[in-house]
Amino acid sequence: AQKITQTQPGMFVQEKEAVTLDCTYDTSDPSYGLFWYKQPSSGEMIFLIYQGSYDQQNATEGRYSLNFQKARKSANLVISASQLGDSAMYFCAMREVYGTSYGKLTFGQGTILTVHP
Amino acid sequence: NAGVTQTPKFQVLKTGQSMTLQCAQDMNHEYMSWYRQDPGMGLRLIHYSVGAGITDQGEVPNGYNVSRSTTEDFPLRLLSAAPSQTSVYFCASSSTLPGLAVQETQYFGPGTRLLVL
Repeated sequence: AQKITQTQPGMFVQEKEAVTLDCTYDTSDPSYGLFWYKQPSSGEMIFLIYQGSYDQQNATEGRYSLNFQKARKSANLVISASQLGDSAMYFCAMREVYGTSYGKLTFGQGTILTVHP
Repeated sequence: NAGVTQTPKFQVLKTGQSMTLQCAQDMNHEYMSWYRQDPGMGLRLIHYSVGAGITDQGEVPNGYNVSRSTTEDFPLRLLSAAPSQTSVYFCASSSTLPGLAVQETQYFGPGTRLLVL
Protein backbone atom coordinates (compact mmCIF):
# COMPACT_ATOMS: atom_id res chain seq x y z
CA ALA A 1 0.00 0.00 0.00
CA GLN A 2 1.18 3.51 -0.77
CA LYS A 3 2.30 5.35 2.32
CA ILE A 4 2.03 8.77 0.67
CA THR A 5 -0.51 9.44 -2.04
CA GLN A 6 -0.71 12.53 -4.20
CA THR A 7 -3.71 12.06 -6.45
CA GLN A 8 -3.22 15.15 -8.63
CA PRO A 9 -0.61 14.54 -11.32
CA GLY A 10 -1.03 18.11 -12.54
CA MET A 11 -2.70 21.28 -11.32
CA PHE A 12 -3.27 24.63 -12.98
CA VAL A 13 -3.85 27.93 -11.20
CA GLN A 14 -4.17 31.54 -12.23
CA GLU A 15 -1.57 33.95 -10.94
CA LYS A 16 -2.56 35.55 -7.59
CA GLU A 17 -5.11 32.84 -6.83
CA ALA A 18 -4.78 30.22 -4.09
CA VAL A 19 -4.26 26.53 -4.83
CA THR A 20 -4.44 23.37 -2.72
CA LEU A 21 -2.24 20.37 -3.43
CA ASP A 22 -3.56 17.15 -1.92
CA CYS A 23 -1.60 14.62 0.12
CA THR A 24 -2.87 11.64 2.09
CA TYR A 25 -0.67 9.34 4.13
CA ASP A 26 -0.80 5.99 5.84
CA THR A 27 1.07 5.11 9.02
CA SER A 28 0.55 3.30 12.29
CA ASP A 29 3.47 5.12 13.89
CA PRO A 30 2.15 7.49 16.61
CA SER A 31 5.00 9.94 15.95
CA TYR A 32 5.75 11.18 12.48
CA GLY A 33 6.53 14.29 10.49
CA LEU A 34 5.08 15.53 7.24
CA PHE A 35 7.07 17.63 4.80
CA TRP A 36 6.49 19.42 1.54
CA TYR A 37 9.28 19.97 -0.97
CA LYS A 38 9.34 22.01 -4.16
CA GLN A 39 11.33 20.87 -7.19
CA PRO A 40 11.63 23.54 -9.89
CA SER A 41 12.69 22.69 -13.42
CA SER A 42 16.32 23.20 -12.37
CA GLY A 43 16.01 20.01 -10.35
CA GLU A 44 16.95 20.90 -6.79
CA MET A 45 14.75 19.88 -3.85
CA ILE A 46 13.65 22.86 -1.76
CA PHE A 47 12.13 22.34 1.70
CA LEU A 48 8.90 24.33 2.12
CA ILE A 49 7.07 23.39 5.30
CA TYR A 50 6.87 20.84 8.11
CA GLN A 51 4.02 19.50 10.27
CA GLY A 52 4.51 17.22 13.25
CA SER A 53 1.96 14.60 14.19
CA TYR A 54 1.55 16.11 17.66
CA ASP A 55 1.34 19.72 16.51
CA GLN A 56 -1.97 21.26 17.50
CA GLN A 57 -1.90 24.03 14.94
CA ASN A 58 -1.48 23.94 11.20
CA ALA A 59 1.98 24.95 10.04
CA THR A 60 2.48 28.15 8.07
CA GLU A 61 5.53 29.54 6.27
CA GLY A 62 4.88 32.75 4.41
CA ARG A 63 2.50 31.98 1.53
CA TYR A 64 2.57 28.27 2.34
CA SER A 65 0.28 26.63 4.85
CA LEU A 66 -0.36 23.01 5.61
CA ASN A 67 -3.96 21.90 6.16
CA PHE A 68 -3.39 19.02 8.57
CA GLN A 69 -6.37 16.74 9.24
CA LYS A 70 -5.00 13.97 11.39
CA ALA A 71 -8.17 11.86 11.57
CA ARG A 72 -8.41 11.86 7.79
CA LYS A 73 -4.64 11.37 7.43
CA SER A 74 -4.33 14.27 5.05
CA ALA A 75 -1.72 17.01 4.85
CA ASN A 76 -2.66 19.31 2.02
CA LEU A 77 -0.41 22.18 0.97
CA VAL A 78 -2.10 25.52 0.39
CA ILE A 79 -0.26 28.16 -1.62
CA SER A 80 -1.86 31.58 -1.37
CA ALA A 81 -1.46 34.32 -3.98
CA SER A 82 0.27 32.09 -6.54
CA GLN A 83 3.24 33.49 -8.43
CA LEU A 84 4.72 32.45 -11.75
CA GLY A 85 7.78 31.22 -9.86
CA ASP A 86 5.61 28.69 -8.02
CA SER A 87 5.41 26.58 -11.18
CA ALA A 88 7.22 23.39 -10.20
CA MET A 89 6.82 19.80 -9.05
CA TYR A 90 5.68 19.50 -5.42
CA PHE A 91 6.35 16.47 -3.25
CA CYS A 92 4.71 15.46 -0.03
CA ALA A 93 6.89 13.31 2.24
CA MET A 94 6.64 11.59 5.61
CA ARG A 95 9.19 10.52 8.18
CA GLU A 96 8.18 7.95 10.77
CA VAL A 97 10.08 7.66 14.03
CA TYR A 98 9.71 3.87 14.04
CA GLY A 99 9.83 3.36 10.28
CA THR A 100 11.55 0.58 8.38
CA SER A 101 14.66 2.65 7.66
CA TYR A 102 15.99 5.07 10.20
CA GLY A 103 15.31 8.63 9.14
CA LYS A 104 13.79 7.60 5.84
CA LEU A 105 11.63 10.11 4.03
CA THR A 106 8.82 8.42 2.11
CA PHE A 107 7.78 10.52 -0.87
CA GLY A 108 4.59 10.75 -2.87
CA GLN A 109 4.58 10.69 -6.64
CA GLY A 110 4.48 14.46 -6.92
CA THR A 111 2.13 17.09 -8.38
CA ILE A 112 3.17 19.39 -11.20
CA LEU A 113 1.82 22.88 -10.57
CA THR A 114 1.54 25.32 -13.45
CA VAL A 115 0.77 28.96 -12.72
CA HIS A 116 -0.79 30.89 -15.61
CA PRO A 117 -0.36 34.67 -15.93
CA ASN B 1 28.65 27.16 3.81
CA ALA B 2 28.37 25.34 0.49
CA GLY B 3 25.70 23.05 1.96
CA VAL B 4 25.40 19.67 0.25
CA THR B 5 27.45 19.30 -2.92
CA GLN B 6 27.33 16.51 -5.47
CA THR B 7 29.61 15.63 -8.37
CA PRO B 8 29.32 15.04 -11.22
CA LYS B 9 26.15 16.85 -12.32
CA PHE B 10 25.66 14.54 -15.26
CA GLN B 11 27.23 11.21 -16.27
CA VAL B 12 26.80 8.73 -19.10
CA LEU B 13 27.91 5.14 -18.49
CA LYS B 14 27.93 1.96 -20.49
CA THR B 15 26.37 -1.16 -19.05
CA GLY B 16 28.86 -2.92 -16.78
CA GLN B 17 30.96 0.13 -15.99
CA SER B 18 31.47 1.23 -12.40
CA MET B 19 31.56 4.72 -11.01
CA THR B 20 31.34 6.70 -7.78
CA LEU B 21 28.91 9.54 -7.17
CA GLN B 22 30.42 11.99 -4.76
CA CYS B 23 28.54 13.76 -1.96
CA ALA B 24 29.95 16.17 0.59
CA GLN B 25 28.47 18.47 3.21
CA ASP B 26 30.16 21.15 5.27
CA MET B 27 27.47 21.53 7.96
CA ASN B 28 28.85 18.82 10.29
CA HIS B 29 25.68 16.80 9.82
CA GLU B 30 25.57 13.33 11.32
CA TYR B 31 22.86 11.88 9.12
CA MET B 32 23.40 11.47 5.37
CA SER B 33 21.42 9.58 2.80
CA TRP B 34 21.13 8.76 -0.90
CA TYR B 35 17.87 8.77 -2.86
CA ARG B 36 17.05 8.05 -6.44
CA GLN B 37 14.27 9.81 -8.31
CA ASP B 38 12.38 8.09 -11.09
CA PRO B 39 9.34 9.42 -12.99
CA GLY B 40 6.05 8.71 -11.22
CA MET B 41 7.77 7.20 -8.18
CA GLY B 42 8.94 10.15 -6.15
CA LEU B 43 12.27 9.65 -4.36
CA ARG B 44 13.32 6.33 -2.90
CA LEU B 45 15.97 5.75 -0.24
CA ILE B 46 19.03 3.75 -1.36
CA HIS B 47 21.41 3.87 1.64
CA TYR B 48 21.88 6.02 4.69
CA SER B 49 24.45 6.73 7.39
CA VAL B 50 24.03 7.92 10.97
CA GLY B 51 27.69 8.84 11.39
CA ALA B 52 31.22 8.07 10.29
CA GLY B 53 31.72 4.33 9.96
CA ILE B 54 28.00 3.50 10.19
CA THR B 55 25.86 2.79 7.13
CA ASP B 56 22.72 0.82 6.43
CA GLN B 57 20.45 -0.14 3.57
CA GLY B 58 17.37 1.73 2.54
CA GLU B 59 14.51 0.74 0.29
CA VAL B 60 16.39 0.02 -2.97
CA PRO B 61 20.02 -0.86 -2.10
CA ASN B 62 20.77 -3.52 -4.73
CA GLY B 63 23.61 -2.60 -7.07
CA TYR B 64 24.93 0.19 -4.84
CA ASN B 65 27.59 0.40 -2.15
CA VAL B 66 28.34 3.18 0.30
CA SER B 67 30.94 4.00 2.92
CA ARG B 68 31.33 6.82 5.40
CA SER B 69 34.93 7.33 6.43
CA THR B 70 34.43 10.97 7.44
CA THR B 71 31.51 13.06 8.67
CA GLU B 72 31.69 15.20 5.52
CA ASP B 73 31.71 12.64 2.71
CA PHE B 74 29.25 9.93 1.70
CA PRO B 75 30.08 8.47 -1.74
CA LEU B 76 27.73 6.15 -3.61
CA ARG B 77 29.32 3.43 -5.74
CA LEU B 78 27.70 1.69 -8.66
CA LEU B 79 29.48 -1.63 -8.96
CA SER B 80 28.33 -2.69 -12.45
CA ALA B 81 25.97 -0.17 -14.00
CA ALA B 82 22.70 -1.36 -15.52
CA PRO B 83 20.13 0.56 -17.61
CA SER B 84 17.70 0.23 -14.67
CA GLN B 85 20.02 2.53 -12.72
CA THR B 86 19.34 5.40 -15.10
CA SER B 87 17.94 7.98 -12.71
CA VAL B 88 18.54 11.23 -10.87
CA TYR B 89 20.45 10.71 -7.63
CA PHE B 90 20.13 12.99 -4.65
CA CYS B 91 22.27 13.12 -1.56
CA ALA B 92 20.74 14.61 1.59
CA SER B 93 21.88 15.39 5.12
CA SER B 94 20.42 16.54 8.42
CA SER B 95 22.02 17.75 11.61
CA THR B 96 20.29 15.62 14.21
CA LEU B 97 19.55 11.96 14.09
CA PRO B 98 15.99 11.74 12.81
CA GLY B 99 14.70 9.59 15.62
CA LEU B 100 15.49 12.30 18.10
CA ALA B 101 14.02 15.11 16.08
CA VAL B 102 11.51 13.93 13.54
CA GLN B 103 10.96 17.52 12.46
CA GLU B 104 14.53 17.99 11.36
CA THR B 105 14.43 18.56 7.65
CA GLN B 106 16.93 17.02 5.29
CA TYR B 107 18.93 19.29 3.02
CA PHE B 108 19.32 18.00 -0.49
CA GLY B 109 22.20 18.37 -2.90
CA PRO B 110 21.60 19.52 -6.48
CA GLY B 111 21.43 15.98 -7.85
CA THR B 112 23.39 13.85 -10.31
CA ARG B 113 21.70 12.81 -13.53
CA LEU B 114 22.92 9.36 -14.59
CA LEU B 115 22.28 7.70 -17.93
CA VAL B 116 23.28 4.07 -18.41
CA LEU B 117 23.35 2.86 -22.00
